[in-house]
This record gives sequence, C-alpha cells and structure tokens, in this order.
Amino acid sequence: DVKVTQSSRYLVKRTGEKVFLECVQDMDHENMFWYRQDPGLGLRLIYFSYDVKMKEKGDIPEGYSVSREKKERFSLILESASTNQTSMYLCASSILDNQPQHFGDGTRLSIL
Amino acid sequence: SQQGEEDPQALSIQEGENATMNCSYKTSINNLQWYRQNSGRGLVHLILIRSNEREKHSGRLRVTLDTSKKSSSLLITASRAADTASYFCATGFSSNTGKLIFGQGTTLQVKP
Repeated sequence: DVKVTQSSRYLVKRTGEKVFLECVQDMDHENMFWYRQDPGLGLRLIYFSYDVKMKEKGDIPEGYSVSREKKERFSLILESASTNQTSMYLCASSILDNQPQHFGDGTRLSIL
Repeated sequence: SQQGEEDPQALSIQEGENATMNCSYKTSINNLQWYRQNSGRGLVHLILIRSNEREKHSGRLRVTLDTSKKSSSLLITASRAADTASYFCATGFSSNTGKLIFGQGTTLQVKP
C-alpha cells in the first residue's frame, strides 16, 4: 500500500514564525499536492508538484511556498504564519495524471 | 475555482438503508473520483470513473456518471455504522498535472 506520511498530526505555532510542514511518500509517485481543509470550504489546493524541483500554484498560494528537492518529499512553508492560516493541512500524491490521489493523515495547525 | 457541488450536505440514515449522494460539476472532465474521510483523518480513495464510463461498482458502492447532465451519484447499499464519514467527489481533467478539484462533501451519519 502507498504510504503518505506527514511529519506532525498537531502543531501549534506563533504569529510571524516560519513554519515547515513535511510530507513523504514511499511509492515513487510523480505528483504531489498540498491542500488545506476548512469547515464549509472543502479542500482547497495550495500548491502542487509534478516533478522534482517543479511546482505550480494552486487556488490559494498566497502566504505559502513549497520545496521539492527529492521526489519523495514535498514541503509546505508558511513564510510568516498568520492566524488565518490555522487549518487542517493535507498532503497527497499520485503516480500519474488522472489516477487516484493518496492522502496523509493531515496536520492540524494552530497559529496563535 | 469550485467545480463540484455535492448534495445533500448532510445525510442521516439507519443501518441497513441505502445512502445516495450526488455531485454536479461545471466543465468537461476526464474522470470523476469519490473519496471518503473519517473524522480527523486523511481522505481515502473509493472509486474512479472515467468520462466514457456510465457506471462502476466496487463492493457495496455503485457510482454513476452522466456527462450530459454533468453529474454523478454515489450509492452505498446496506449501510453500516462504520460507513459514517464525509464523502467527497473530485473531478480530474485532461492535463499533465494530476490536479483534482474537490467538492465540499456530504456528511453521512449511519445510526446503529
């Protein structure tokens, strides 16, 4: 089975901090994704990557950046955390286009 | 760029009954996928149906796709308390990125 591992289930940070969320997949998948999930808004795509060092903005990239130095690892960076970035963050990967995405268990991030 | 809209937003049924959830979308798609999310966890892929398919089955799940109406439905037969979860549809496109757009989900409660 595909395993997508997010480094933390729960994280509490302070306003203005630089925050790193890490995601690792173990199945050599080409595509990786970062979403945030908020009540009433569903899943919204922040950034995605279709190859090492390649990235594209999703629907809500403002305030975020990403890094994919190795195929198996996709990091989400909050450059200067703000309270409106308190949310559930979900990482996913897929082997190819138009194939199922495999999700991690999520990181519930609180910015105080 | 919300693509999918799900109906109903919430559904409560008794164990043994069937549950039907609907998804409508706006633009042409390559495929439509259904996912399940248990409370506080990541999403799990259930079934993928391609735009040239009309119906697909997987165990107690039946998915239909009507591209002329731009809609899909997920039927869970003989529901169980363990089916209690949120269910999301997601649409995929003919591109080289694997990007999906998720609906806001239907929350299903199955009472024992």
